[in-house]
Amino acid sequence: EADIYQTPRYLVIGTGKKITLECSQTMGHDKMYWYQQDPGMELHLIHYSYGVNSTEKGDLSSESTVSRIRTEHFPLTLESARPSHTSQYLCASSESGHSVPFFGSGTQLSVL
Amino acid sequence: QKEVEQDPGPLSVPEGAIVSLNCTYSNSAFQYFMWYRQYSRKGPELLMYTYSSGNKEDGRFTAQVDKSSKYISLFIRDSQPSDSATYLCAIPSGSARQLTFGSGTQLTVLP
Repeated sequence: EADIYQTPRYLVIGTGKKITLECSQTMGHDKMYWYQQDPGMELHLIHYSYGVNSTEKGDLSSESTVSRIRTEHFPLTLESARPSHTSQYLCASSESGHSVPFFGSGTQLSVL
Repeated sequence: QKEVEQDPGPLSVPEGAIVSLNCTYSNSAFQYFMWYRQYSRKGPELLMYTYSSGNKEDGRFTAQVDKSSKYISLFIRDSQPSDSATYLCAIPSGSARQLTFGSGTQLTVLP
């Protein structure tokens, strides 16, 4: 079944740890995105990719980094987690052109 | 001024009510508009997608676009408790045509 998967769903981790949030899609989409969402707040784009080896920063500055080595995989990495990184991280993908993003279920990150 | 402004709510209505959710936008060049529904601790799911001015209907949901006023609306008829969620308007904007989201309206439909 074509879908977009995010793991883990929940992550509680201590300050200073390196973390990687996984995102994979089986829809064959070229474009992939990472959004950050705090409770009751709007989604903010932090990274996007048009395809393999293409990554761009979004509107919201983020200390995270991303990579796109395979079309279906778009992981997000924080080298040293801090409490200010506590948030929900949402991965999405879409076809090229004026297309609609489809979202994963998100990863709720809590940094203690 | 934000590119997309959305009535923040929260909104609480009785089952069966007609719900109106609204957003305004600032750039008259925007051409298509989306509504997403987001349940608690889940990712947003696409509800409606409209390209032009006027109305688009899908079951109990109607999306309305008024480009002259830069105003978009989502109407829910015969609202159900399962419609309780946060509703987000979204508009592709910027040179990269990435989605800009409204802040969301939290809706509760009481049985």
